[in-house]
Amino acid sequence: DTEVTQTPKHLVMGMTNKKSLKCEQHMGHRAMYWYKQKAKKPPELMFVYSYEKLSINESVPSRFSPECPNSSLLNLHLHALQPEDSALYLCASSHAGAAGEAFFGQGTRLTVV
Amino acid sequence: QKEVEQDPGPLSVPEGAIVSLNCTYSNSAFQYFMWYRQYSRKGPELLMYTYSSGNKEDGRFTAQVDKSSKYISLFIRDSQPSDSATYLCAPGSGYALNFGKGTSLLVTP
Repeated sequence: DTEVTQTPKHLVMGMTNKKSLKCEQHMGHRAMYWYKQKAKKPPELMFVYSYEKLSINESVPSRFSPECPNSSLLNLHLHALQPEDSALYLCASSHAGAAGEAFFGQGTRLTVV
Repeated sequence: QKEVEQDPGPLSVPEGAIVSLNCTYSNSAFQYFMWYRQYSRKGPELLMYTYSSGNKEDGRFTAQVDKSSKYISLFIRDSQPSDSATYLCAPGSGYALNFGKGTSLLVTP
C-alpha cells in the first residue's frame, strides 16, 4: 500500500472560519510533509514532521498550524485565511531522514472566500 | 540562478514517439533524484527515483543522472496519450525536495 489519503478533497471556507485538513498513511513512514501548490507552479514545502516532531517550518504564517497526533496522521489547522491562500494543499510521507521516495496524496483543493 | 531549472514546455509529440525530459541543477549536495508525474488537479505521482549517476529503467521509463554535469533526464519510450501530464524533476537532500517548474507533455493520438 503506497497510499497517502487526504480529506476533504475540496474545501471552501470564509476568512473567519476555522477548518482542518487531514492526512493519513499506513506505509510505516516516520516523516510527513505539508506542501502548498498554486496553479501551474511546483509544490512548495510548508512543514516537515519527523518522528512526530516538527522538524522544518518554512516560515509559514501562523494562520497555518500543523499537528502530528501519531505516526500515521498529520493535520493542518486553518484559521483566518486570506483569499491568496487558495491552493492545492498536498500531504506527503517518506522514510525518516530523507525525502527520497516521498509519496504524495491527491491533495485538498482549498478556496478561501 | 535557481537551484533546479526545467523547461516548462509545452512539449507536444505524436503517439509512439520517444520523449526526453530534462533538468539541470546547481547544488552538488543533492543526494537523490526523483521524477514525479502530475495529472491536472491531482497530486504528484512518484515515477522514478535514483541515488546515483547512471541509468535506471522501469518499463517504458528510463531515468538518467549525470552528477558531473548536474543533468537529470527522463526518457519515455512508446509514448501514449495517457502519458499527457506535467513531469516534475525533484532532486534533493535531507527532507528538502527541490522541484523544477515541471514540463507539460501532450501526446497526441
